[in-house]
Parts: sequence; structure tokens; C-alpha cells
Amino acid sequence: QLVLTQSPSASASLGASVKLTCILSSGHSNYDIAWHQQQPEKGPRYLMKINSDGSYTKGDGIPDRFSGSTSGAERYLTISSLQSEDEADYYCQTWGTGVVVFGGGTKLTVL
Amino acid sequence: VQLVESGGGLVKPGGSLRLSCASSGFSFSGFNMNWVRQAPGKGLEWVSCISSSGTFKHYADSIKGRFTIARDNSKNSLSLQMNSLRAEDTAIYYCARDLGGSSPGSVDIWGQGTMVTVSS
Repeated sequence: QLVLTQSPSASASLGASVKLTCILSSGHSNYDIAWHQQQPEKGPRYLMKINSDGSYTKGDGIPDRFSGSTSGAERYLTISSLQSEDEADYYCQTWGTGVVVFGGGTKLTVL
Repeated sequence: VQLVESGGGLVKPGGSLRLSCASSGFSFSGFNMNWVRQAPGKGLEWVSCISSSGTFKHYADSIKGRFTIARDNSKNSLSLQMNSLRAEDTAIYYCARDLGGSSPGSVDIWGQGTMVTVSS
């Protein structure tokens, strides 16, 4: 079964960097994923698509502070030079034949 | 590029509701479209996807047999007919574009959402 696992919460200080993790279920380590950001009281916003080879493509207007990477079944979203507006929920998303799956989301707190 | 949902509201359990999504700024007929929902205080849950031509439709198990996705490429619009509504269908419903082919892909554009409340 295609499942994405995310830690429920993360925190980092203003100006620091943070790396959020999304883990693909067993047997699905070669799947691509996407990251989405949801700021408080707003709809989701697409950040990037990460391929299984580690390459990634960002959405329009996404700052250079946001980057993606891969290691095995893990997909990462790294945010550098954290700003207050980065405090949000972050969801990873993947897809298979006839199905779309979202991770449970990580709530990022900027200290 | 914009997606604007409408049609949400308050409905009694067992009732029906039809959501719509109007698109602008891109070639609607060239993209798969999805409905994704978010219950109050919860995460994102995929509901349904329809291919660019409307040929292929996919549904989450939680709504299969109760919801029907459709599109009208001549009007650049997407719809979701929701029947036999339950309290657990209460959520914000988002329209979303994806980059897949005959099967779903990466969502890259989101609407602002429309709230559906199922309550007596």
C-alpha cells in the first residue's frame, strides 16, 4: 500500500535551516513526490516536485531558500534562512495508478 | 492561472450538493483535475481525479459510489456531485490541477476552497 509518513511537528529558529522528511512506504522508494505548504487559515500552495533521482522542480515564485533532495525512500524539503512566514503545515504528496496520497503533514514552528 | 470553487454550504445528512470549479489562465483541457478535501483541523485527503479528456476517473475509497467527478472542457469547469452526504464529509473542498497523464500526478495549482458542512 502506498503510504507517506511525516513527522507531526518540527521547529527551528528564525534565520536557521530546517530539513523536513517524507518517507515512502516499502516497495515505493522510486516514486516521485511533491511538497505543498499551507500557511495558517490559507489554502495549500505547491512548492516543488522531487524526483526519485534527487532532481527537483520548483513552482513559480518559490524562493531559492526552498530546496529538495532524496535519499532512498526518503524525500526532503530544506528551508534555509527561516522567516516567520515559513511557519506553516507542510504536506508531501505522491501518486500511483489511479490514486493520490498525502502524508499527514508536518507543522513547522519558527522560534 | 486561477481556480475558483463554489457551491459549498450546509446540508443535512443524506442530502446532496454539487461543487463547481472555474478555471482561468491556462489551457484547462490539457490537464488532469482533482478534488482534495480537508476536514476541520485535519490534513489533506485526496477525493477524486479526472483525466484531461474526462475519459479516466478515479475515486478515494471513502467516497466511491457516492461522489461523481465531471468536467466540461468547453466551459473550463470541473464539478463534484456529492450524494448521500455524511457528517464525516464535512470539510473544505479544494479544486486542484495536476500534471499527470491518464493517471494522477503532481498537483501544481490549488483553488482557495469551498466549505461543505453536513449537519442536521
